[in-house]
Amino acid sequence: DQQVKQNSPSLSVQEGRISILNCDYTNSMFDYFLWYKKYPAEGPTFLISISSIKDKNEDGRFTVFLNKSAKHLSLHIVPSQPGDSAVYFCAAGTFQKLVFGTGTRLLVSP
Amino acid sequence: NAGVTQTPKFQVLKTGQSMTLQCAQDMNHEYMSWYRQDPGMGLRLIHYSVGAGITDQGEVPNGYNVSRSTTEDFPLRLLSAAPSQTSVYFCASKTKQGASYEQYFGPGTRLTVT
Repeated sequence: DQQVKQNSPSLSVQEGRISILNCDYTNSMFDYFLWYKKYPAEGPTFLISISSIKDKNEDGRFTVFLNKSAKHLSLHIVPSQPGDSAVYFCAAGTFQKLVFGTGTRLLVSP
Repeated sequence: NAGVTQTPKFQVLKTGQSMTLQCAQDMNHEYMSWYRQDPGMGLRLIHYSVGAGITDQGEVPNGYNVSRSTTEDFPLRLLSAAPSQTSVYFCASKTKQGASYEQYFGPGTRLTVT
């Protein structure tokens, strides 16, 4: 039973456009949500996070939206750059235990 | 400040062999954890520790042991390796900063069990 789902295995966008990555979760006890970016042969790199008391958090080109009633979060990247091409994982949980989605591979073409 | 370090980077074991994956962090984080990443499965939590002397099981703990004798180190032991433990292993650490649970990952250890 997957508690955190990323239903799109891949996403292709053009440079300069918006990338929207989606994530759904099932456990209403989750109080913290994060996005990670991963390049091949490297560890995941933290991008942005949001706690359950907020519905939006921005950091430069990255914005995370949380819809608690729908148990859905999304990551918006604006504008997308070729260097953003990587696998993006969402994670949800509590301080002690995080559950990760299976990842979405983003390809940003020039 | 090296962050989270892991050794070795690569390892090949025969079924039944034992080994220890090393993890160290220099950020004085109280929380450390081990994940494994398999194709199409995302990262799954193996074991975690909320401080020296305290460990607990994650989602997939079977076949792995951990201990936490210092804040800095959190080794993962495979007592009798099995082919199902072929995976990439990531160690992570974090601390509470207000409401932020930012978690830092090491570069990973790629383990093959034949």
